[in-house]
Amino acid sequence: DAGVTQSPTHLIKTRGQHVTLRCSPISGHKSVSWYQQVLGQGPQFIFQYYEKEERGRGNFPDRFSARQFPNYSSELNVNALLLGDSALYLCASSLAPGAFGAFFGQGTRLTVV
Amino acid sequence: SQELEQSPQSLIVQEGKNLTINCTSSKTLYGLYWYKQKYGEGLIFLMMLQKGGEEKSHEKITAKLDEKKQQSSLHITASQPSHAGIYLCGADGGGSNYKLTFGKGTLLTVNP
Repeated sequence: DAGVTQSPTHLIKTRGQHVTLRCSPISGHKSVSWYQQVLGQGPQFIFQYYEKEERGRGNFPDRFSARQFPNYSSELNVNALLLGDSALYLCASSLAPGAFGAFFGQGTRLTVV
Repeated sequence: SQELEQSPQSLIVQEGKNLTINCTSSKTLYGLYWYKQKYGEGLIFLMMLQKGGEEKSHEKITAKLDEKKQQSSLHITASQPSHAGIYLCGADGGGSNYKLTFGKGTLLTVNP
């Protein structure tokens, strides 16, 4: 079975642009969470979605938004990119919120220049 | 908000040596996860601990949870170069708080 898949794997954007990152959860998993990991730090929680509804939001500006589709895949959108948005963006899926053993994708490396 | 402190920040060991990584929480631990990460890649789930005193092992890696101390330890026996990477602990906030809060990670280097 396929694990959590994220696309693209790498991305370079210019300040002020918009970016969309995509995540497909493990088959049967209905919850998707997004994390941002800057170099040298642990992942920081951005959003969690379950059954297409937002269940949790981290301390990130409104430039960050996300959504979950009927097939449980998810998109993370970031507007008006800043240099500080450069990071590894990780998607995790689980059967349900709070379910144990969240499984992570390989991440999308976003570089803002 | 919950904070996790990992120690040491980095560790260099000779192949075959044992080592321990610690993770201390500022709040009660309801669930503690250990992950391994290769540089720039995703997180690989190692194990999850829920109950105080719980201990789990997988191959040469053992994790323990000390609920009273709000601390978990990860012990690797007879380290191998394949164990090299970044080890991250993540904590479940409990209740309706479904997010995982992570420590900053411990960078492990194993020299052949």
